[in-house]
Amino acid sequence: AQKVTQAQTEISVVEKEDVTLDCVYETRDTTYYLFWYKQPPSGELVFLIRRNSFDEQNEISGRYSWNFQKSTSSFNFTITASQVVDSAVYFCAPSPWGGGSNYKLTFGKGTLLTVNP
Amino acid sequence: DAGVIQSPRHEVTEMGQEVTLRCKPISGHNSLFWYRQTMMRGLELLIYFNNNVPIDDSGMPEDRFSAKMPNASFSTLKIQPSEPRDSAVYFCASSLNPGSNTGELFFGEGSRLTVL
Repeated sequence: AQKVTQAQTEISVVEKEDVTLDCVYETRDTTYYLFWYKQPPSGELVFLIRRNSFDEQNEISGRYSWNFQKSTSSFNFTITASQVVDSAVYFCAPSPWGGGSNYKLTFGKGTLLTVNP
Repeated sequence: DAGVIQSPRHEVTEMGQEVTLRCKPISGHNSLFWYRQTMMRGLELLIYFNNNVPIDDSGMPEDRFSAKMPNASFSTLKIQPSEPRDSAVYFCASSLNPGSNTGELFFGEGSRLTVL
């Protein structure tokens, strides 16, 4: 079974600030996937990224970046120069790799990010 | 392109009534998921279909819940009889085989169920 902890329940920042959302996970699998999803006020979840556990290279996509540290079981998400449109709940979710179980995402409780103008 | 379409968006019903939630996945996707979201329990996977076949229903809370996928373009989640503790937002999601490409799930906008 996998477990994920998003210790920050709510974060509030002012526009243009950088913000990092923490994610710590537990898994007995040696290989696995890690996901981040965004849930804006409209309600539907939107995929942001999937990483493989054997690829520890950090990822940057525009203002978004992800820092994967396998040694500390963390997969943190940073938004640079935050914007009001970034206001949403963000979920981290590990899933098993292969074995027919790679569909089984375990979602964290989420972090509510509010970006104020 | 049409995304995942769920109906109804909102449903208010009384305890004991039957509730049917509907989902039309993205055309060409062969995996379909039903999730439930509550404040207390977060997002929980209820059931997973692959090629219209239920693969994992271990998340279905109890016998009052049932899900079907009669064809590749339609699925239902039924609760009979409904109870107040079933109040939640129910999401349908679809994807290509989860292990392929990015493994991205495409979610619908959800059906908010309130059982009085």
